Amino acid sequence: DAGVTQSPTHLIKTRGQHVTLRCSPISGHKSVSWYQQVLGQGPQFIFQYYEKEERGRGNFPDRFSARQFPNYSSELNVNALLLGDSALYLCASSLENTEAFFGQGTRLTVV
Amino acid sequence: TQLLEQSPQFLSIQEGENLTVYCNSSSVFSSLQWYRQEPGEGPVLLVTVVTGGEVKKLKRLTFQFGDARKDSSLHITAAQPGDTGLYLCAGWLGNTGKLIFGQGTTLQVKP
Repeated sequence: DAGVTQSPTHLIKTRGQHVTLRCSPISGHKSVSWYQQVLGQGPQFIFQYYEKEERGRGNFPDRFSARQFPNYSSELNVNALLLGDSALYLCASSLENTEAFFGQGTRLTVV
Repeated sequence: TQLLEQSPQFLSIQEGENLTVYCNSSSVFSSLQWYRQEPGEGPVLLVTVVTGGEVKKLKRLTFQFGDARKDSSLHITAAQPGDTGLYLCAGWLGNTGKLIFGQGTTLQVKP
């Protein structure tokens, strides 16, 4: 069985641009969560989606948005990129609030 | 304020030594998860502890969940260089859909 897959693995964007990150959960998992992680720190929760509905939102500005599709895959969108948005973006899937399994992440660099 | 406090935040030891990492909170969690993460990769789930007082062993790693389900510890016996990485504890915050992480413990095991 494939694990959680994220694309792209690396991305370089310019300040002010928009970015879309993609995530495919483990087959059978209906919950997808997004996290931002800066070097040496723990991941910070951004969003959780379950059955295409937003279940939780972290303390991030409205420039961050996400959605979940009927096949349970998900996109994270970030508008008007800032230098401070440079981070590893992680996606996790789970069977609801049970064990969360993570993808390899997308390394976003904003220049 | 960090909901889950990990200590120490950084640990550098020699191969063969023992160590303990702590994860503490003032909140009760239905379960706590421990992850290990290598640079540029997503966190990999090591164990989930669910029952207060529970002890789980994974080879040289021993995980314990506090009786009140507010704290947990990870003990590594005879550490090896392959144990080097970022160790994270995490717990679901009630029914909010948020998986909250500690700030992580960076472990370096020198040969």
